[in-house]
Amino acid sequence: QSVLTQPPSVSGAPGQRVTISCTGSSSNIGAGYDVHWYQQLPGTAPKLLIYGNSNRPSGVPDRFSGSKSGTSASLAITGLQAEDEADYYCQSYDSSLSASHVVFGGGTKLTVL
Amino acid sequence: QLQLQESGPGLVKPSETLSLTCTVSGGSISSSSYYWGWIRQPPGKGLEWIGSIYYSGSTYYNPSLKSRVTISVDTSKNQFSLKLSSVTAADTAVYYCARRGIAARPWRDWGQGTLVTVSS
Repeated sequence: QSVLTQPPSVSGAPGQRVTISCTGSSSNIGAGYDVHWYQQLPGTAPKLLIYGNSNRPSGVPDRFSGSKSGTSASLAITGLQAEDEADYYCQSYDSSLSASHVVFGGGTKLTVL
Repeated sequence: QLQLQESGPGLVKPSETLSLTCTVSGGSISSSSYYWGWIRQPPGKGLEWIGSIYYSGSTYYNPSLKSRVTISVDTSKNQFSLKLSSVTAADTAVYYCARRGIAARPWRDWGQGTLVTVSS
């Protein structure tokens, strides 16, 4: 029961486009907090993939893009490659209690068919 | 190149206190531009933020863990630490230390993580 809701899994064939949604509420994404995305390959620490809703850190391919609208955000991956098979997490901040705090989505496992 | 390294016991008994330290190299923990934090991941599950600390000592905790968590900073050693009390099997997880910029920035730098198992 994460504060941010992601689909547990998505899949796509090589070369295809997939999207991963991240749904929040008026106390987090809808309150104007930025959404960040992380990629976690098996057995490794998460790696920052998208920051500030739609910005890519240096070295992240432009096949990865992010967007935000209202109380939701999305991560899109085009030209799917086998190496993209990983878990993906969205992250934002929530101010429903006395102070803002970090919140993560439950994660989405991407399978490349 | 900033590096973060977690250290501490890999096995903790139920009801005891889990203690971990994150050693920062390649950067100063006393920088006013960053927060330092702990994030955990139970086996096969998602990421959970535990808490964050600023170099001044100001702390911010996950409301669901707040009663059991203490995060502290030692600027002389360029380290920050996590203590989680009264642990149960549900606290078994890989514990990551990480760094983020101020003003709701992302967690850009991560340690490799350390598995802590709670078992008698």
